Amino acid sequence: QSALTQPRSVSGSPGQSVTISCTGTSSDIGGYNFVSWYQQHPGKAPKLVIYNVSKRPSGVPDRFSGSKSGNTASLTISGLQVEDEADYYCYSHAGAYTPWVFGGGTRLTVL
Amino acid sequence: QVQLVESGGGLVKPGGSLRLSCAASGFTFSDYYMSWIRQAPGKGLEWVSYISSSGTIKYYADSVKGRFTVSRDNAKNSLFLQVNSLRGEDTAVYFCARMTTDDAFDIWGQGTMVTVSS
Repeated sequence: QSALTQPRSVSGSPGQSVTISCTGTSSDIGGYNFVSWYQQHPGKAPKLVIYNVSKRPSGVPDRFSGSKSGNTASLTISGLQVEDEADYYCYSHAGAYTPWVFGGGTRLTVL
Repeated sequence: QVQLVESGGGLVKPGGSLRLSCAASGFTFSDYYMSWIRQAPGKGLEWVSYISSSGTIKYYADSVKGRFTVSRDNAKNSLFLQVNSLRGEDTAVYFCARMTTDDAFDIWGQGTMVTVSS
């Protein structure tokens, strides 16, 4: 099972919005609503920021939102803050054979 | 508080073995599915293995199938990963993670480093 496809990097200025895409296939993103997003700061464990395509765990700011269209999921961060600078990974359920697959990760730089 | 703490990593020669452990606290461990996820230095996340709450259902990534074995001891709130026939490409930080019924990893440990080198 191939990794989901994410842009290698995105950037934005404080206060702006950025969107990170995650492209898969009908066997993963397109076939399930089990899409989640993770934020990882250097040297730290990943943190769940979005699950079930668009739900936010308790404690995650509403600046973080998720969506899905066809085989592509998206994470949007509005009102960018310096502390949002991190790596972001998407993830999807991918069926019975290799049930879980991550995207390659996107480095967000807040300029 | 809800916590996962990994241990057991280290430096091992190619072909060697290790047993990674993950100690859970602050929640009813036996209620949750669990997974191991790894991250090679400077690389992205790779799902490695899954185990059901009872331990009866297990899945593995193709890259580790036949070499890694996941298990759990619900009485001791512990998750394990036996890693055998290690290769250089297995060098990574290994995280254990709790899974929700929505198929998300909501709690992660801090990771344990496995380095495979002669």
